[in-house]
Amino acid sequence: RKEVEQDPGPFNVPEGATVAFNCTYSNSASQSFFWYRQDCRKEPKLLMSVYSSGNEDGRFTAQLNRASQYISLLIRDSKLSDSATYLCVVKGDNQGGKLIFGQGTELSVKP
Amino acid sequence: EAQVTQNPRYLITVTGKKLTVTCSQNMNHEYMSWYRQDPGLGLRQIYYSMNVEVTDKGDVPEGYKVSRKEKRNFPLILESPSPNQTSLYFCASRLQGSGNTIYFGEGSWLTVV
Repeated sequence: RKEVEQDPGPFNVPEGATVAFNCTYSNSASQSFFWYRQDCRKEPKLLMSVYSSGNEDGRFTAQLNRASQYISLLIRDSKLSDSATYLCVVKGDNQGGKLIFGQGTELSVKP
Repeated sequence: EAQVTQNPRYLITVTGKKLTVTCSQNMNHEYMSWYRQDPGLGLRQIYYSMNVEVTDKGDVPEGYKVSRKEKRNFPLILESPSPNQTSLYFCASRLQGSGNTIYFGEGSWLTVV
């Protein structure tokens, strides 16, 4: 079983749609959680951290369920510019805080 | 400007010809690491370094070496490249400590024929 699992997609949605990505992780000792965005095989860039209480940044909402070891990202009112691959990332408590990446979920927003 | 710089960005090489991918960061970060990204597998850590002269294996270290003689530089060495090392490579750095944002270089596309 992979340490961090995501549905690879692709998710094809129209502009304005709401889309949700899910991610599960296997290590219950994981400490920190993030969503990264990656465009066209460029470097990943931090989209947002994920906090236990849930957090929102504009059209993006992230949630964490530690009991179920589950992370989600909700994008409201999708824009064409949201088309990218979204990486779920979990930071462990060993190896200096190693980041473990999911394989990514591809999103394509169409006009 | 804070950045992580990798070179070369694109390289086609032949099996067995030693090569080095350089990585340099200007943020005085203690922690640096190398990842490779392959379709369907996501980013996998090759090696990491928690400070000068401190390096350790990640998940896929076979066929690679690294060194950390200076804080800013963390080169990735392929002593005898093979076709299964064809991949997209990312160098990354961050401050030590939990929760610190990690910064990635722009990536190096490496093809071994």
